[in-house]
Amino acid sequence: GAGVSQSPSNKVTEKGKDVELRCDPISGHTALYWYRQRLGQGLEFLIYFQGNSAPDKSGLPSDRFSAERTGESVSTLTIQRTQQEDSAVYLCASSWTSGPTGELFFGEGSRLTVL
Amino acid sequence: GQQVMQIPQYQHVQEGEDFTTYCNSSTTLSNIQWYKQRPGGHPVFLIQLVKSGEVKKQKRLTFQFGEAKKNSSLHITATQTTDVGTYFCAGSLRAGTYKYIFGTGTRLKVLA
Repeated sequence: GAGVSQSPSNKVTEKGKDVELRCDPISGHTALYWYRQRLGQGLEFLIYFQGNSAPDKSGLPSDRFSAERTGESVSTLTIQRTQQEDSAVYLCASSWTSGPTGELFFGEGSRLTVL
Repeated sequence: GQQVMQIPQYQHVQEGEDFTTYCNSSTTLSNIQWYKQRPGGHPVFLIQLVKSGEVKKQKRLTFQFGEAKKNSSLHITATQTTDVGTYFCAGSLRAGTYKYIFGTGTRLKVLA
């Protein structure tokens, strides 16, 4: 596709349920990022995938959070046993790592609401 | 861990006034990027600075990277209502790694 695609765009779930968020990066982008943005707040780094290297998981807030990426394509962020504080917009971004600017291209985000 | 702070957190200006946001890192950065996020939207890339002391201009926007590569600023001359949004800086620690830590953001409102 032309841009980074995220699904679902909105997800309402009950506390304790598991959720899965999907990100389709721009074709050819080797780097993929997940960020969390709470209402009115900044972007909190969660995880970063770079090609076939081991992902940088240093931003994952707890072991309830995990993410996978298949090669240089789709990524899935999974949140187990959701809590109300997990409510936020989850933003995915991708980038080239050999381009002139290394700019991050963001998707529209997945808005998660935990009741 | 690495922190990137921005000041001010909020800024209201009259249309036509200038605006500046400052970005400060606790550690030296390899490079810094700036993004703009419109209300309800996602961050959109504005520019990247790499060299110590670098200054870049985009029309009414001037970006600067500090000599020590620990701070940066974005200055907007003669703001317009289209400048409304939140401005984020994002820093990378090491060349060759592309893990970007975003600043806390400055929310700009422009009053017509």
